[in-house]
Amino acid sequence: EAQVTQNPRYLITVTGKKLTVTCSQNMNHEYMSWYRQDPGLGLRQIYYSMNVEVTDKGDVPEGYKVSRKEKRNFPLILESPSPNQTSLYFCASSLDRDRAGEAFFGQGTRLTVV
Amino acid sequence: AQTVTQSQPEMSVQEAETVTLSCTYDTSENNYYLFWYKQPPSRQMILVIRQEAYKQQNATENRFSVNFQKAAKSFSLKISDSQLGDTAMYFCALLTYNNNDMRFGAGTRLTVKP
Repeated sequence: EAQVTQNPRYLITVTGKKLTVTCSQNMNHEYMSWYRQDPGLGLRQIYYSMNVEVTDKGDVPEGYKVSRKEKRNFPLILESPSPNQTSLYFCASSLDRDRAGEAFFGQGTRLTVV
Repeated sequence: AQTVTQSQPEMSVQEAETVTLSCTYDTSENNYYLFWYKQPPSRQMILVIRQEAYKQQNATENRFSVNFQKAAKSFSLKISDSQLGDTAMYFCALLTYNNNDMRFGAGTRLTVKP
């Protein structure tokens, strides 16, 4: 089954404690991206990756890091989480950049930073 | 800069009736894609319909259709014969050819009443 898998689904952490949210896709997609969803703001893109070892900033990259060492994985790293990073996070993948709108989305990760 | 605006935070409609969700956008690009996504309570993001800006014909997918007015930068979604399963958040999104990031609107929460 084609899917994008995020882990964990829910996470509560404390300010400053480094965390990683994993994202994996099994469709050999080139384009992957991370979004955060906040009430009244919709989804905002954090980072995206056009292919292995190619990543770039989206709309709201501050406080986040990503890596793309393998095609299937695109982890989101919060080196020092802060309460304003409490949000719902989505990973998405698509065949390529031109089909970014036809992306497969993960199930979301609800992150709370206290 | 690209922006997407959804001016209706919440809407409701009676089952079997028709409802239209509004979306306006701004971009200096001439070539772009527009999308409507549905997010039910399960949090999954589901692509409902897409429109290429160079196509004058409005896209249609079963009960879902769009009214794309390029000059006015308007992209509304019409849902005909509304069903209870249409209850969800709906997001409008823009992807331009020359930029690699997706821009989403803030969303419209649609409730279909029995």
